[in-house]
Amino acid sequence: NAGVTQTPKFQVLKTGQSMTLQCAQDMNHEYMSWYRQDPGMGLRLIHYSVGAGITDQGEVPNGYNVSRSTTEDFPLRLLSAAPSQTSVYFCASSYGPDAQETQYFGPGTRLLVL
Amino acid sequence: DAKTTQPTSMDCAEGRAANLPCNHSTISGNEYVYWYRQIHSQGPQYIIHGLKNNETNEMASLIITEDRKSSTLILPHATLRDTAVYYCIVRAEGAQKLVFGQGTRLTINP
Repeated sequence: NAGVTQTPKFQVLKTGQSMTLQCAQDMNHEYMSWYRQDPGMGLRLIHYSVGAGITDQGEVPNGYNVSRSTTEDFPLRLLSAAPSQTSVYFCASSYGPDAQETQYFGPGTRLLVL
Repeated sequence: DAKTTQPTSMDCAEGRAANLPCNHSTISGNEYVYWYRQIHSQGPQYIIHGLKNNETNEMASLIITEDRKSSTLILPHATLRDTAVYYCIVRAEGAQKLVFGQGTRLTINP
């Protein structure tokens, strides 16, 4: 299993540009989520999905959109990039959202918005 | 989710046991204690979790006090590759997210 994969690994955007961060998992996990990590900070939840066709907002959803058309993929879209969105983005997945289900994280996408 | 308190940093000699404490005095009965680590800005890596009983796996042991107000992660024979930030997380049943605090920066010294 490849686990959780993310592309690209690194991206530079100009303010106002849009882009999609890709996340895929091959473990047949129902639950997927996106976090961002700012320098010296812990991770904060952006959006999550409990299954294909179902998404919901986390604690910092503004400026981001998600969709979940398949179990495997959970892309994160930046609609109009802002310097405040400079961060490292991590995708995670687990069999379910229950507390006893371990979440597995991808390697991250480092985004710089100029 | 209950709040956790961890020391900001710790040092440990290579080959020795690393004992990382975590205080979670407001933990509720349905909340699990999770430990993750993050090595040099890589994605967080799951280590171990438990509810009431002590747990052990190939990576570490988790000791939870009887009143569940604190726990200790034990890396039995620390290596240089265990240098990382270690996060203690308390997660309630049905909680949609993991709440990461500042964690403990563990440095393993040769």
